[in-house]
Amino acid sequence: NAGVTQTPKFQVLKTGQSMTLQCAQDMNHEYMSWYRQDPGMGLRLIHYSVGAGITDQGEVPNGYNVSRSTTEDFPLRLLSAAPSQTSVYFCASSYGFEGVAGYTFGSGTRLTVV
Amino acid sequence: EDQVTQSPEALRLQEGESSSLNCSYTVSGLRGLFWYRQDPGKGPEFLFTLYSAGEEKEKERLKATLTKKESFLHITAPKPEDSATYLCAVTSGGSYIPTFGRGTSLIVHP
Repeated sequence: NAGVTQTPKFQVLKTGQSMTLQCAQDMNHEYMSWYRQDPGMGLRLIHYSVGAGITDQGEVPNGYNVSRSTTEDFPLRLLSAAPSQTSVYFCASSYGFEGVAGYTFGSGTRLTVV
Repeated sequence: EDQVTQSPEALRLQEGESSSLNCSYTVSGLRGLFWYRQDPGKGPEFLFTLYSAGEEKEKERLKATLTKKESFLHITAPKPEDSATYLCAVTSGGSYIPTFGRGTSLIVHP
């Protein structure tokens, strides 16, 4: 049981480049989400999904796209990377939307945009 | 807008020195309050969910309590392996999306 798997763990991008952060879970969780964590800012929600084919925006969605074609996968796409997107990105999943049993987080992707 | 404030930002303890972390919140109708532990370089790990004032949950040396305005995470006789950042989050009203606090960084010295 791998839980939530994020790849890559580290990435350096040049301004304007695009890339996809991968997230996969093997727990058959309905709810998946992407957060970014910046020093002094706490975790901020980027996008979330309550099931395959359904996505919605969180607090800081600009510059990011998501899709959910399967229950297991929830990739995050950076369309045109900017230095302001330098951050640590976490994918999380839970059985229910509210995560009453808590969210399961991946180990994160540390992204640097130069 | 929900607000979650955690204090202190950082806390240093000696092994065995009990203390408490605070999470104060301003929400319109609390649905749930969550505590997570985050080790450096890793994602947060779920600890507890609390729903109503007066509720308490325990796990090893940790005990979480909840009032109408705040939650405390009590750490009894901490060990160096309890060193981590502790995050608090709340859900409220009609929204199931949690609002996270900025966390308390705890260091326990041997």
